[in-house]
Amino acid sequence: ETGVTQSPTHLIKTRGQQVTLRCSSQSGHNTVSWYQQALGQGPQFIFQYYREEENGRGNFPPRFSGLQFPNYSSELNVNALELDDSALYLCASSTFGQVGYEQYFGPGTRLTVT
Amino acid sequence: EDQVTQSPEALRLQEGESSSLNCSYTVSGLRGLFWYRQDPGKGPEFLFTLYSAGEEKEKERLKATLTKKESFLHITAPKPEDSATYLCAVQALSGGYNKLIFGAGTRLAVHP
Repeated sequence: ETGVTQSPTHLIKTRGQQVTLRCSSQSGHNTVSWYQQALGQGPQFIFQYYREEENGRGNFPPRFSGLQFPNYSSELNVNALELDDSALYLCASSTFGQVGYEQYFGPGTRLTVT
Repeated sequence: EDQVTQSPEALRLQEGESSSLNCSYTVSGLRGLFWYRQDPGKGPEFLFTLYSAGEEKEKERLKATLTKKESFLHITAPKPEDSATYLCAVQALSGGYNKLIFGAGTRLAVHP
């Protein structure tokens, strides 16, 4: 167990709706990253938060947004859902700035958009 | 463009049949290479970090090695419980922050 938890486990939404996914980081980790993993692919970096501010972003549109809270829990919000947003969403916690830092992943949230 | 390529895409082994998985990469500002194991429907589980060419790490039946252009994950005498997808990722420094760039993975199936 990594100490990183995510909720919900599974979620089904309709195209055009909005969704919020939640993550609780491992104790002592001040950085959280979110990834999207399509079936049969490796995780794709969405963005990273450090001290409640976004400090890195991958090639995802602005309808993907996030929040990090003082207790290091975080949210991923996706607006105007599209069918291609169906994927496993992973969060990973780490300690920012540490050279060769290691990220520890949660179990993921499986999102299905119909 | 930063890129990670893993091969083969899928590998089927008999129990006890040793083999190697390959991860080749092109990235600027490499800060580390990571191997993860992922079981179906679960998040990746950290295995190894390698920082410099020539470095090797071992854990049970797994051994990871690193050169300037690629990494290998050697599996010695695998067991059925080693069946999983093995992901390789490189840590790159981009725009002042660290990000992980993953390959698509190698799906390993070990049969009794």
